Amino acid sequence: AQTVTQSQPEMSVQEAETVTLSCTYDTSESDYYLFWYKQPPSRQMILVIRQEAYKQQNATENRFSVNFQKAAKSFSLKISDSQLGDAAMYFCAYRSGSTQGGSEKLVFGKGTKLTVNP
Amino acid sequence: KAGVTQTPRYLIKTRGQQVTLSCSPISGHRSVSWYQQTPGQGLQFLFEYFSETQRNKGNFPGRFSGRQFSNSRSEMNVSTLELGDSALYLCASSLSPSSYNEQFFGPGTRLTVL
Repeated sequence: AQTVTQSQPEMSVQEAETVTLSCTYDTSESDYYLFWYKQPPSRQMILVIRQEAYKQQNATENRFSVNFQKAAKSFSLKISDSQLGDAAMYFCAYRSGSTQGGSEKLVFGKGTKLTVNP
Repeated sequence: KAGVTQTPRYLIKTRGQQVTLSCSPISGHRSVSWYQQTPGQGLQFLFEYFSETQRNKGNFPGRFSGRQFSNSRSEMNVSTLELGDSALYLCASSLSPSSYNEQFFGPGTRLTVL
C-alpha cells in the first residue's frame, strides 16, 4: 500500500519570504501522480499543484513550485513571496496511475499547518 | 459553473443514530469520492462511485455505505453512530475516475456525535 509522510506538522514563514514544505512517499508503482492541496481554515480544499511521475520537469504554478525527486521518493513544495492568504493546511497526496481495480483514490499525508507572519 | 455542494454543512447526532450526507458534484462530473477527515487519522478514503457503481472502498466498517444516483449525486450513510465517527466528511467530484482528472472538493459536512 502506498503511504505519504509529511514530517513537518507546522511551519511558519514571514510575509514575502520563501518556505519549503516536505513530503516523502512510498510506492512500488512507476505510474502515479503527486499533488499538493491547500485547505484554508473553514474553507474548501483546493488543488495547488500536481506532478506526473513520468515527467522529469518540476511543476510550477506562479509562486508555487515543486522539487520532485523520483528516486528519493520526495516531493517538496516551495512557496515563494509568501502572502497572508497562503496560511492554511497543506496536504501532500498520491494517486495511482493504474486504471485497474479502482485504485484512483487519493492517499494523503497528515498535513502541514503553514502560518504566515506579517 | 457551480462547485461541489454538500448538505447539510453541520450535523449533530447522538450515539446509535444514523445519518445521511449528500453530495452534488460539479455539472458534468460523473465520479464522486468520499473522504473522512479527523485530527487523529487525517484524511482517509471512504469510497468512490462512478456511473452509479461503487468502484473502490476504503477500510471502513460496514456501517459506512453510500450510493450514487443517475444524476451523479451521491449520498453516504452511517448507521449506528459512534463517538469516533465525529469528523469532517468531504466529497470530491471529477469527470471520470481517471487519475489524470482533477478532483474538486466540496466544503464538507461537519458531523458531531454526542
